[in-house]
Amino acid sequence: SQQGEEDPQALSIQEGENATMNCSYKTSINNLQWYRQNSGRGLVHLILIRSNEREKHSGRLRVTLDTSKKSSSLLITASRAADTASYFCAVTDSWGKFQFGAGTQVVVTP
Amino acid sequence: SQTIHQWPATLVQPVGSPLSLECTVEGTSNPNLYWYRQAAGRGLQLLFYSVGIGQISSEVPQNLSASRPQDRQFILSSKKLLLSDSGFYLCVGTRFSYEQYFGPGTRLTVT
Repeated sequence: SQQGEEDPQALSIQEGENATMNCSYKTSINNLQWYRQNSGRGLVHLILIRSNEREKHSGRLRVTLDTSKKSSSLLITASRAADTASYFCAVTDSWGKFQFGAGTQVVVTP
Repeated sequence: SQTIHQWPATLVQPVGSPLSLECTVEGTSNPNLYWYRQAAGRGLQLLFYSVGIGQISSEVPQNLSASRPQDRQFILSSKKLLLSDSGFYLCVGTRFSYEQYFGPGTRLTVT
């Protein structure tokens, strides 16, 4: 079964708007990562947040982690058409096992 | 650093034919290795993972199997492919809790 469950499954927004997607997981984790995948291509690593961190920023990306709720959110600010992609969270649990979530498909229209 | 090699990049196989996909690791020893499958428009489903030679955990019951005959070799196999086996197969290697390495993937079409 998937470790990370993401919502929403799909998100459609206009350029300039913010996009927020969430990921929930089931076990204790070492870290959580977010990846982007453009239309069936390879995965691009976006950001890693460790279990002892609560928030992390990278450019227009902001990731939060709430280990008490076993959840994380990815915020993309001022979205662009080029942000159209599928976004996946992935967790490494306390035993070192690495698993992806189901993903959120984001469409940004000009 | 670790490099994951996968081949072939694309594969078209008829239903009922066997499958063997190979993943090899370069640059590190004793990695954890994973096989993921992504059906069209779907997420990445964990199929198998291995923490060492001969140690395979199966995540999803199916007609696929995996083997790890050597530390740096991870093989995904099927005796008889189904149409539902079509998808993008990705080998991932991990080292420690913060290093992940991705193979280029194999796009399998079962006809």
